[in-house]
Amino acid sequence: EADIYQTPRYLVIGTGKKITLECSQTMGHDKMYWYQQDPGMELHLIHYSYGVNSTEKGDLSSESTVSRIRTEHFPLTLESARPSHTSQYLCASTGFGGYTFGSGTRLTVV
Amino acid sequence: QKEVEQNSGPLSVPEGAIASLNCTYSDRGSQSFFWYRQYSGKSPELIMSIYSNGDKEDGRFTAQLNKASQYVSLLIRDSQPSDSATYLCAVRDDKVIFGPGTSLSVIP
Repeated sequence: EADIYQTPRYLVIGTGKKITLECSQTMGHDKMYWYQQDPGMELHLIHYSYGVNSTEKGDLSSESTVSRIRTEHFPLTLESARPSHTSQYLCASTGFGGYTFGSGTRLTVV
Repeated sequence: QKEVEQNSGPLSVPEGAIASLNCTYSDRGSQSFFWYRQYSGKSPELIMSIYSNGDKEDGRFTAQLNKASQYVSLLIRDSQPSDSATYLCAVRDDKVIFGPGTSLSVIP
């Protein structure tokens, strides 16, 4: 029963295009996160939010931006995609326990 | 810098054996501890949470916490090939800090 949804699941896009990765959760969680993960590698926190109109950068520098206009929605935007942005992007949310992750978006920039 | 460390593996065990995964953390004030399982190409899935010293059992999984030693472990009894995955240890203070993961391979 996935309560956190990411779209698209896969995306192949050309260099220079603007893209938005969608993340929505139905659990009413205030805290939401974006992670970047390359195959076989560690999770890297790139953005997080503790509530509406609150966004912070994570431990890994990223050229992406995020917004949090509604509690349930935490989209990530890349203004100009580059091949170095090719990765898996994972969205997560939490109440007071562990994180619940979405299914992820696998992004390929060609 | 708060850190969570795990043996990177890969750890290989025969089917039916006990797999033991270990994790240490640096922040003595941490209160919540988690184990996630991540299959290749999939997102992490929470399998165990533990908040107090001692053992917590859930089916074939047992989490062990020793706050004095800053040590968390996960035991998988009767390991199955379907347990082959990367196991992430995570520690929560303000944010959740993930370890690098241990790759487990269960050999039929």
